[in-house]
Amino acid sequence: DTAVSQTPKYLVTQMGNDKSIKCEQNLGHDTMYWYKQDSKKFLKIMFSYNNKELIINETVPNRFSPKSPDKAHLNLHINSLELGDSAVYFCASSQDLGGPGTQYFGPGTRLTVL
Amino acid sequence: EDQVTQSPEALRLQEGESSSLNCSYTVSGLRGLFWYRQDPGKGPEFLFTLYSAGEEKEKERLKATLTKKESFLHITAPKPEDSATYLCAVQNRRGAQKLVFGQGTRLTINP
Repeated sequence: DTAVSQTPKYLVTQMGNDKSIKCEQNLGHDTMYWYKQDSKKFLKIMFSYNNKELIINETVPNRFSPKSPDKAHLNLHINSLELGDSAVYFCASSQDLGGPGTQYFGPGTRLTVL
Repeated sequence: EDQVTQSPEALRLQEGESSSLNCSYTVSGLRGLFWYRQDPGKGPEFLFTLYSAGEEKEKERLKATLTKKESFLHITAPKPEDSATYLCAVQNRRGAQKLVFGQGTRLTINP
């Protein structure tokens, strides 16, 4: 009965490759997010989608492209991977009913670019 | 720009030794302040949301309080299983729902 799930949990790849991370939530939430946690453990927002529409797009390189096929899924595709993309990527979801909905996080995907 | 600073970066306590973690923030209209717990290799786990100055919330050995400039997470008589990184985050009223996080406090409780 996992609430927010991500696949894969670990991803090791070479520089220049293209990779995708998938996220699914079964909470019935209408907003989903991608966060990046760097080596210093700082969590920073990348994107958010509400009902399949892009709401937040922070200053993230164009190589990162989120896709939301439906409101329960938010995938992250990364082109031409660079060393600096190595980090842990977290998906989250919330139900925002006019107030600050609590965001629930997935287990994370540790991406290592060699 | 919204900003969150947590202190100390790391804290070691003996089991049963109470203490407090600090979260100082600047935000253009606070919508909510959130506390999360993160265990190694896992995602942040929600603890509390505080909405306005003076508010307090409790859960087991943890109590969170809020003023206009900072929040405290008080831990009373901690146990080794309370060891984790505690993250503070703010959300402003400007419409977008993003959380701005602090760098976290790594708490270790020795038996």
